Amino acid sequence: GQNIDQPTEMTATEGAIVQINCTYQTSGFNGLFWYQQHAGEAPTFLSYNVLDGLEEKGRFSSFLSRSKGYSYLLLKELQMKDSASYLCAVRDWDYGGSQGNLIFGKGTKLSVKP
Amino acid sequence: ETGVTQTPRHLVMGMTNKKSLKCEQHLGHNAMYWYKQSAKKPLELMFVYSLEERVENNSVPSRFSPECPNSSHLFLHLHTLQPEDSALYLCASSQELSAGAEQYFGPGTRLTVT
Repeated sequence: GQNIDQPTEMTATEGAIVQINCTYQTSGFNGLFWYQQHAGEAPTFLSYNVLDGLEEKGRFSSFLSRSKGYSYLLLKELQMKDSASYLCAVRDWDYGGSQGNLIFGKGTKLSVKP
Repeated sequence: ETGVTQTPRHLVMGMTNKKSLKCEQHLGHNAMYWYKQSAKKPLELMFVYSLEERVENNSVPSRFSPECPNSSHLFLHLHTLQPEDSALYLCASSQELSAGAEQYFGPGTRLTVT
C-alpha cells in the first residue's frame, strides 16, 4: 500500500528554525514534492527532490533519503507569513500515469508565533 | 496569482441538481488535473488530462464527469451528488507529465451538497 506520514500540527517562534518531517511507504518512487498552502488558498510549489541530499532555496531547504523513505522541509528565519499547511507529496510509479501520479500526505499545519 | 483560475469559488447544491465547475489555465501548460480536498484528508487525485486526452480516471464515481475541450480549459460536471462529496475541488496544471513537473493549483471551488 501507499502511506505518507507528517505531523498534524507544529508551532514555532518568529525568527526560529523549524523542521517538518515526512516519511513515506510507496511501492514505486519517482520524486518528492513539498507544497505550501495558506488557509483558503491554493497550494504553491516549494521544492522537488528526486536524488538523495539537500536542496536549498532561500530560507527553505528540503532533504531526501530514499533508503529511509524520509524527507524533511527546513524553514529558517521564520516569519509570520510562513504560518500555513505544508504538504508532502510523493510521485509513485505504481499509482498510475506515465511518470506516476502524486500521493499527498495530510499536511502539517505550522503556526508561527511572535 | 498562480495563472490558474476556477469558478465558481463557492457552490451549494442539492443532491438532485446538476452543476459544473470550470477551470482555466493561462500558463500554456499541456496537462491538467482535478483533485478533491476533504477536511482531515489528503489531497486525492481524481482525473488527469494531457493534451486534452484523459490519461487517468482514479476510480471516481460516475456522478463526476470531466471534460477538457482544449488544453486551457477543464470542466467537472456534477450530478446527483451525495453529502460526502462536499469538499474543496482543486484544479491544477503542469507543463507536461514529466516526473519533475511542478503543478500549479487554482484557488479551488468549495462545494457543499445539501
